[in-house]
Amino acid sequence: DAGVTQSPTHLIKTRGQQVTLRCSPKSGHDTVSWYQQALGQGPQFIFQYYEEEERQRGNFPDRFSGHQFPNYSSELNVNALLLGDSALYLCASSLTGERSPLHFGNGTRLTVT
Amino acid sequence: AQSVTQLDSQVPVFEEAPVELRCNYSSSVSVYLFWYVQYPNQGLQLLLKYLSGSTLVESINGFEAEFNKSQTSFHLRKPSVHISDTAEYFCAVILSGGYNKLIFGAGTRLAVHP
Repeated sequence: DAGVTQSPTHLIKTRGQQVTLRCSPKSGHDTVSWYQQALGQGPQFIFQYYEEEERQRGNFPDRFSGHQFPNYSSELNVNALLLGDSALYLCASSLTGERSPLHFGNGTRLTVT
Repeated sequence: AQSVTQLDSQVPVFEEAPVELRCNYSSSVSVYLFWYVQYPNQGLQLLLKYLSGSTLVESINGFEAEFNKSQTSFHLRKPSVHISDTAEYFCAVILSGGYNKLIFGAGTRLAVHP
């Protein structure tokens, strides 16, 4: 049973460009959350998707957007990249419900130059 | 505002020694509490969780944590560490009524030396 898979594992982009990160949830999970982990810091919540809609959003600008597909997979899009967007982006899947534990993927390392 | 504070950014310890990683939280509502571990170049793995019931929770690899509501703490302990426990440890909370959005602390780097 595959866990949460993310692609690509590493990515290098230039300031001003746009990027799309992808996530496939653990089998049976219907909720996908995205987190940004800057170097030396704890992960910060970006947003959560359930039933193809953004259900909750953290304190991130509109440059960060996402999508969830009917098969529960998800994409994170970041427009107009800034140097400060360099981070590890983590996808987590779960069942819906506040007590459901999150299962994390290994992340996508984004470097903006 | 809700927050999670991990009081030590780094904890060096010798192999087979005991260790405690400290975590305090602030919240005006009930919380669920978690410890996650992150090995180099990997994602986060759930180590243990407190949802309700007994305030002492244990993991399969010898870690334990105790929820102390009066002190708003959820410290992680292990009586004897191994080299393989070297990793980053994150304390996190989910607010009751707030879906399962995790709020993380800044992490504690546990370095086990031979």
